[in-house]
Amino acid sequence: ETGVTQTPRHLVMGMTNKKSLKCEQHLGHNAMYWYKQSAKKPLELMFVYNFKEQTENNSVPSRFSPECPNSSHLFLHLHTLQPEDSALYLCASSQVASQGSYGYTFGSGTRLTVV
Amino acid sequence: TQLLEQSPQFLSIQEGENLTVYCNSSSVFSSLQWYRQEPGEGPVLLVTVVTGGEVKKLKRLTFQFGDARKDSSLHITAAQTGDTGLYLCAGVIAGSGGGADGLTFGKGTHLIIQP
Repeated sequence: ETGVTQTPRHLVMGMTNKKSLKCEQHLGHNAMYWYKQSAKKPLELMFVYNFKEQTENNSVPSRFSPECPNSSHLFLHLHTLQPEDSALYLCASSQVASQGSYGYTFGSGTRLTVV
Repeated sequence: TQLLEQSPQFLSIQEGENLTVYCNSSSVFSSLQWYRQEPGEGPVLLVTVVTGGEVKKLKRLTFQFGDARKDSSLHITAAQTGDTGLYLCAGVIAGSGGGADGLTFGKGTHLIIQP
């Protein structure tokens, strides 16, 4: 496996369900990200993890809960979501150096539908 | 207010024609990236530009970073049907602190190349 792998590719869940999205990167990168892509909106940065430490949380509602157990794995735990949370959720990784990040690589995303 | 404005939003041209799409901001970016995204997939990095005035070429694609690092353009020569996709620009705002840099995205240009 190479690159960034996201599972599942598609997910339909009810508003009372609890589910998790998984992301795994095989690039040896040290930073991982969650983005949300909705129709007619630009990609929105949700969470940033640098060396497993969360360094950014862009005012994301608490019904989204990230977890980064190591630099290769990233999860997004979902509970009591709303229909407006339906979107494509993208995971990305990059290598952080002194001058910034490079080598940004995205996964194929999880298409989430909340019913 | 959109931090990165992309234009045009939609573009449909015939195979063999040339085209330019633009990415503009009032903010200065330390680096700017162009991605291409196909339906159901994550964005794929095409190029990163970091120096004001920089020009990079990728086969028939030419990318330019503005002198003031506030804008960028993507020019495609002799477009092919395989160029169809959503073209996204994204950047790291200058002075944002380094480390793991979450990207700021534009809404993208939907490009369709007709055979």
